[in-house]
Amino acid sequence: GESVGLHLPTLSVQEGDNSIINCAYSNSASDYFIWYKQESGKGPQFIIDIRSNMDKRQGQRVTVLLNKTVKHLSLQIAATQPGDSAVYFCAENPWDQGGKLIFGQGTELSVKP
Amino acid sequence: DTEVTQTPKHLVMGMTNKKSLKCEQHMGHRAMYWYKQKAKKPPELMFVYSYEKLSINESVPSRFSPECPNSSLLNLHLHALQPEDSALYLCASSQDGQGRGNTIYFGEGSWLTVV
Repeated sequence: GESVGLHLPTLSVQEGDNSIINCAYSNSASDYFIWYKQESGKGPQFIIDIRSNMDKRQGQRVTVLLNKTVKHLSLQIAATQPGDSAVYFCAENPWDQGGKLIFGQGTELSVKP
Repeated sequence: DTEVTQTPKHLVMGMTNKKSLKCEQHMGHRAMYWYKQKAKKPPELMFVYSYEKLSINESVPSRFSPECPNSSLLNLHLHALQPEDSALYLCASSQDGQGRGNTIYFGEGSWLTVV
């Protein structure tokens, strides 16, 4: 079936380094993508989104890149901090499936001080 | 902080009990959702309400019964659950009634344990 997947299940980085979390998707109907951060014991927190008419979008310390040619999405976190430690999920919203969000499997980011 | 509020935060219930999870949002959103999340797994969609009407039911067992009393409230009624139903239940909302192309905001979840 169609799915959103992540290339790495875990990622460990040194504090201050940049982090890159990758995501592959396969649904050609997806035109909206969201990255969520989920800390232990909490609900998913919206980080940044991007629509299919864009290749790049920047937020505060975060950048999302979308490559529609190869159906690839990435989240870049600049100057990673201990508070960034969490599980990161990418999610896609296919235009033909109403309100359905399809989540990737998640990447656990661990930041070493 | 999320503007989607869920109660209770923790619930322990027996397999013969009837309980309810509640969700509230005051962002004027017209789509509301229930997701189920097991440990170390992504959230799985259960139900979508669009303009207070059930628009998506992901083949959820009838022991889970959703209800949308108004555009701000969403309930999930629980009856005769099984231990494998123990999970984090997440409520979410989005502005667009069809839920398409709009940011979906999640609550902090209700941790359910079935004994």
